Amino acid sequence: GQQLNQSPQSMFIQEGEDVSMNCTSSSIFNTWLWYKQDPGEGPVLLIALYKAGELTSNGRLTAQFGITRKDSFLNISASIPSDVGIYFCAGQANAGGTSYGKLTFGQGTILTVHP
Amino acid sequence: DGGITQSPKYLFRKEGQNVTLSCEQNLNHDAMYWYRQDPGQGLRLIYYSQIVNDFQKGDIAEGYSVSREKKESFPLTVTSAQKNPTAFYLCASSITGGNTIYFGEGSWLTVV
Repeated sequence: GQQLNQSPQSMFIQEGEDVSMNCTSSSIFNTWLWYKQDPGEGPVLLIALYKAGELTSNGRLTAQFGITRKDSFLNISASIPSDVGIYFCAGQANAGGTSYGKLTFGQGTILTVHP
Repeated sequence: DGGITQSPKYLFRKEGQNVTLSCEQNLNHDAMYWYRQDPGQGLRLIYYSQIVNDFQKGDIAEGYSVSREKKESFPLTVTSAQKNPTAFYLCASSITGGNTIYFGEGSWLTVV
C-alpha cells in the first residue's frame, strides 16, 4: 500500500526560528494536505495543495506540492510558542472513484518551541 | 456553529464489552470517516461512507462496525472482537467530490 515518510519525527527549536518539515511518498498523490494537532484534539487543516509545483501560504506557514507529486514540505517562519503540536502531512491518490476521500497520513512531526 | 461533534470525549470499557462512539456533523457533508490514532503514530482509516446507507472498510476495519442511516450521523461500534481497542478515535467528514476532510475533536477509549 501507499506509504508516507514524514521527517523529522521531532524538532526542538527556539522561539523565532524557522521550521521545515517534509513528506515523501512511494507513489504519486494528487492532493497534499497539512494538519496540525494539539494534544487531545482533532487535527486542524492548515494548508491544502492540489497542483504539482503549487506553493501556498497561510500566514507564517508555507507549503509546496512537489513537482514529482511524491513529496511536499511545510515551512513555519518565526515560530512562536503556540506553534507547538504535532504536524501531519496527508496525501490522496485520486480525486474520485474508490480512493475518494481516503487519505494516507505521515507519522507526524512533534514540534516543541522554547520561549 | 457548524462542525463535527464527537461524544463521549472519554470512555472506559471493560474487556468483552461493545461500545459505540457517536459522530454528528451539521456541515451538510456527504462523506464521513472514522480514523484511529495510536500514540506516536499517524491516523489509520477504519471505515468510511460516501453516502447514506453505504459504507466501506478502511485499512483496519476488523473488530469495528458502523452504520449510516442519516447523513448527519456515522456512529462507530468497537466490538469485543477488537483486540487492542485502547486508542484515540477521530471522526471526519468532507463534501461530495472534495478531497479535503475536516476532523472532530476525537474520543479517547480506554479498555480497563
